[in-house]
Amino acid sequence: AQSVAQPEDQVNVAEGNPLTVKCTYSVSGNPYLFWYVQYPNRGLQFLLKYITGDNLVKGSYGFEAEFNKSQTSFHLKKPSALVSDSALYFCAVRDGADKLIFGTGTRLQVFP
Amino acid sequence: DAMVIQNPRYQVTQFGKPVTLSCSQTLNHNVMYWYQQKSSQAPKLLFHYYDKDFNNEADTPDNFQSRRPNTSFCFLDIRSPGLGDAAMYLCATSPEGLPGQPQHFGDGTRLSIL
Repeated sequence: AQSVAQPEDQVNVAEGNPLTVKCTYSVSGNPYLFWYVQYPNRGLQFLLKYITGDNLVKGSYGFEAEFNKSQTSFHLKKPSALVSDSALYFCAVRDGADKLIFGTGTRLQVFP
Repeated sequence: DAMVIQNPRYQVTQFGKPVTLSCSQTLNHNVMYWYQQKSSQAPKLLFHYYDKDFNNEADTPDNFQSRRPNTSFCFLDIRSPGLGDAAMYLCATSPEGLPGQPQHFGDGTRLSIL
């Protein structure tokens, strides 16, 4: 069965520092991986995806993610964090043709 | 802009009083989803549609029903809400059979039960 794990409930980082939000996956076959962000009282917003090709994927708002097949990881990164990046982040993997399996979420807190 | 719109954004109902949440989309996507999300947890899929073909998750309570009268609209009916049904309800869409395409989410309806 497909699954994703987000080992950190919360990540704290100072503004201007690089940030990493971790995600590992377990899939049969080729993974279709996604990152979403959720701000308070809002829906999930798509950030980026890995389907195939380059292992470094660039997405919205300066975020990027590195796909690592040997470590079965898909960590979300940003070189310089902003206070406005503070939100809840979900990693997800496609299950079958049209369903998503979400991780438990990681709350990112960026301090001024 | 094409989008997924949920109404109302906030809904308060009484224990046991039926409530309907609505979702509309201008993306013309064939697949529509309803999720339940509690207190910053991961969204939990309740059911989804391929056009009008309804697919229920095995653990979705019978208290939850849905209707999709056309491609653009989808409704979530909670027949007898209990206190445990207080949550954020998210609607999402995606094109069918394209696993590389992301789901597009509405901003949700936050349901409170008195």
